[in-house]
Amino acid sequence: KAGVTQTPRYLIKTRGQQVTLSCSPISGHRSVSWYQQTPGQGLQFLFEYFSETQRNKGNFPGRFSGRQFSNSRSEMNVSTLELGDSALYLCASSLTGTGGYGYTFGSGTRLTVV
Amino acid sequence: DQQVKQNSPSLSVQEGRISILNCDYTNSMFDYFLWYKKYPAEGPTFLISISSIKDKNEDGRFTVFLNKSAKHLSLHIVPSQPGDSAVYFCALYSGGGADGLTFGKGTHLIIQP
Repeated sequence: KAGVTQTPRYLIKTRGQQVTLSCSPISGHRSVSWYQQTPGQGLQFLFEYFSETQRNKGNFPGRFSGRQFSNSRSEMNVSTLELGDSALYLCASSLTGTGGYGYTFGSGTRLTVV
Repeated sequence: DQQVKQNSPSLSVQEGRISILNCDYTNSMFDYFLWYKKYPAEGPTFLISISSIKDKNEDGRFTVFLNKSAKHLSLHIVPSQPGDSAVYFCALYSGGGADGLTFGKGTHLIIQP
């Protein structure tokens, strides 16, 4: 079966702009989580969506937001980009999003802010 | 303050020998403990996990050990193979998933021929 698909793979944006990243989960998976990976902070949890509702949220500013559609596809938006937002953004899907099992990650979107 | 620490940024092991990757944590509330493997330009891939009520779980060449009193988790790979060269992350999950998966910063395992 198809894995988790993230688009685009690479993105270059200018400070102050906004960006939208997309994630298509594995068919049938209802939970989608987003993570940010940077060399200094490692992998950090952004938020989780389940059945179109944000269920959990990490410790990130309000500039980071997301949504999930009825087909479980999810988008993540970052507004007023800062240089420090340069990172690999990973999406993970899961059937239920509980227990820590079965999180399948996509290959990520590499965002560079200049 | 880091809740999950992988104190060895890198580890070099000879092919065929045992690789032992370690992870320490501070919060006793974690329910599940997972290991992920990551190759460059790819997302992390789930390897093996263990629940807090167990102390060992085995899957082929991979065994995870959990020492709750020491708040210590380890992954043993026996025998180590060249394809095992990757970055390994421990990831911890607490009930409800309020913090998602809490990851360590990773250990780069290099298998020497």
